[in-house]
Amino acid sequence: QVQLVQSGADMMKPGSSVKVSCKASGGTFNTYTISWVRQAPGQGLECLGRIITPLSITKYAQKFQGRVTITADTSTTTAYMELSSLRSDDTAVYYCAINLGWASGTYVYWGQGTLVTVSS
Amino acid sequence: EIGMTQSPATLSMSPGERATLSCRASQSVGSDLAWYQHKPGQSPRLLIYDASTRATDIPARFSGSGSGTEFTLTISSLQSADFAVYYCQQYNDWPRTFGQGTKVEIK
Repeated sequence: QVQLVQSGADMMKPGSSVKVSCKASGGTFNTYTISWVRQAPGQGLECLGRIITPLSITKYAQKFQGRVTITADTSTTTAYMELSSLRSDDTAVYYCAINLGWASGTYVYWGQGTLVTVSS
Repeated sequence: EIGMTQSPATLSMSPGERATLSCRASQSVGSDLAWYQHKPGQSPRLLIYDASTRATDIPARFSGSGSGTEFTLTISSLQSADFAVYYCQQYNDWPRTFGQGTKVEIK
């Protein structure tokens, strides 16, 4: 059974950076594409980007280009999402998810979510 | 980016009723369309992908249809566990985009 366990909630200052971790277990990590999706309060779901772990190839939504970095450490089966230059509207629950297949755009396994609050 | 529009925003239904949720894409996405169920405090759950294929362990009362720009999720007979928010998502183009959701609430 594939499981994704994310790091705990974070409270950040505007202008700072946050790094959220996502540890996978129960599957073969270096075959995964791992994506990051967020949900701001009262809003819908929004894709930030993804990493194809066997190739370490990343792709980011243009909205976040230059501010988001997704990495994966195959030795610890952990993926990371770092978001910089934080603003109050980055306050959201951030989810990691494993895609249905390495080239798939659907998200079949999800982490429990990490609340990131940006406030002065 | 491709805009996804869901309707209605809220659906007030009784258990046992049939629910029909709609999703429209701003341009054709072929059959690259998924549906997710999202309950408060939980992670989203994949229900349908490729417009009409049920994901593993998803009950047969959930079905998806459509192609191009018009899609439908049907729940044939609502159970208490089905009251939630439902999102459609396209994966034909980058970035992947979601609709704003349809909340299915108890009438």
